[in-house]
Amino acid sequence: EAGVAQSPRYKIIEKRQSVAFWCNPISGHATLYWYQQILGQGPKLLIQFQNNGVVDDSQLPKDRFSAERLKGVDSTLKIQPAKLEDSAVYLCASSLTGHTTEAFFGQGTRLTVV
Amino acid sequence: GENVEQHPSTLSVQEGDSAVIKCTYSDSASNYFPWYKQELGKRPQLIIDIRSNVGEKKDQRIAVTLNKTAKHFSLHITETQPEDSAVYFCAARYSSASKIIFGSGTRLSIRP
Repeated sequence: EAGVAQSPRYKIIEKRQSVAFWCNPISGHATLYWYQQILGQGPKLLIQFQNNGVVDDSQLPKDRFSAERLKGVDSTLKIQPAKLEDSAVYLCASSLTGHTTEAFFGQGTRLTVV
Repeated sequence: GENVEQHPSTLSVQEGDSAVIKCTYSDSASNYFPWYKQELGKRPQLIIDIRSNVGEKKDQRIAVTLNKTAKHFSLHITETQPEDSAVYFCAARYSSASKIIFGSGTRLSIRP
């Protein structure tokens, strides 16, 4: 089966600029996650969708980060304006349901804010 | 709060020896515990998982144990090989919103 697709793979922006990441989950997967992975750390959950509804966004810095999953399939994560500390790999993952099923990760988008 | 503690942060073992990584979780209602392996510059990939209704699961050289009472779970890799060198993450699926929380990772190095 096709995996989780993410784009772009790499992005370099200046602080205070805006950036958007795109994710296409595995077909049929109802649950979609966005994680932030700072170098040397574990993935940190930013937001979780179940179909097109937000299940958890408690760790999302809502003053600058936003995400949507229109039609319950693709998702976009936006940062506006970016800060230096946003430099990280942004990983998208999907799973069949939100219960005891495996989450599959995309390749991630490496963001560098200068 | 929702937290997964993982240790050690780095581990170096001789090729052929065993490696053990330990994690603890805080939500007693957690029911799913996956382990991911992440090689440099690559995506995390699931290597084994365990559900709360079993105490141990094994897949060739990899095994995971779960102690629900103590809220501990561990990854055991036997007969380690050079290709086992990577960062390993434990995770727990918390019952609230079924979200997956990751540990901070263990960098495993296999010495030839």
